[in-house]
Amino acid sequence: EVQLVESGGGLVKPGGSLRLSCLVSGSTFSNDWMAWVRQAPGKGPEWVGRIKSKSAGGATHYGAPAKGRFTISRDDSRNTVYLQMNTLQNDDTAVYYCTTDLWVWGQGILVIVSS
Amino acid sequence: QSALTQPPSASGSPGQSVAISCTGTSSDVGGSNYVSWYQHRPGKAPKLMLYEITKRPSGVPDRFSGSKSANTASLTISGLQPEDEADYYCSSYVGGDNVVFGGGTKLTVL
Repeated sequence: EVQLVESGGGLVKPGGSLRLSCLVSGSTFSNDWMAWVRQAPGKGPEWVGRIKSKSAGGATHYGAPAKGRFTISRDDSRNTVYLQMNTLQNDDTAVYYCTTDLWVWGQGILVIVSS
Repeated sequence: QSALTQPPSASGSPGQSVAISCTGTSSDVGGSNYVSWYQHRPGKAPKLMLYEITKRPSGVPDRFSGSKSANTASLTISGLQPEDEADYYCSSYVGGDNVVFGGGTKLTVL
């Protein structure tokens, strides 16, 4: 059974940075395309971005709210995908989900951006 | 405001059928075969229920079915069961690498 566990969330001040991690087990992680999706309180999910497997070129693609501020990376030796978030703003407050390209999802991790 | 429009709520009694719509545009739902549906119960991870409009991942009951007409996709749950009570979200690929989601529908089993 594939399982994903996010970590690294919490409270951060506007303008600050945070790095989320997602540990994947039960799959051949190096073959997985990994994505991040977020959901702000009371709203629908929002695409953050995706990183392809290295065998597929390892390219990243970002949704509009993430471009220029967020970076997705992966460490296949650790079965882990990361979301580096910089210049955080209040409206980045959300539950952030790690997913194997929208197939299997983690339970999410809460990020609160507030002064 | 989400890119795809879903009704905020739906309901049905056990054993009944319920359909949830997901309306987009010709740029997303209407022009894509990659429409998916997710079930999200409180405190649980979201779960993929349908992909590519009609396909069910292994383990998803055949009570869950999907369809699409023009710019609207639909999820139909037949033979409603109490455990089907959850939030349901649709998604669609746009232009290959981007994904848009619906605002979600809260399904209540009466």
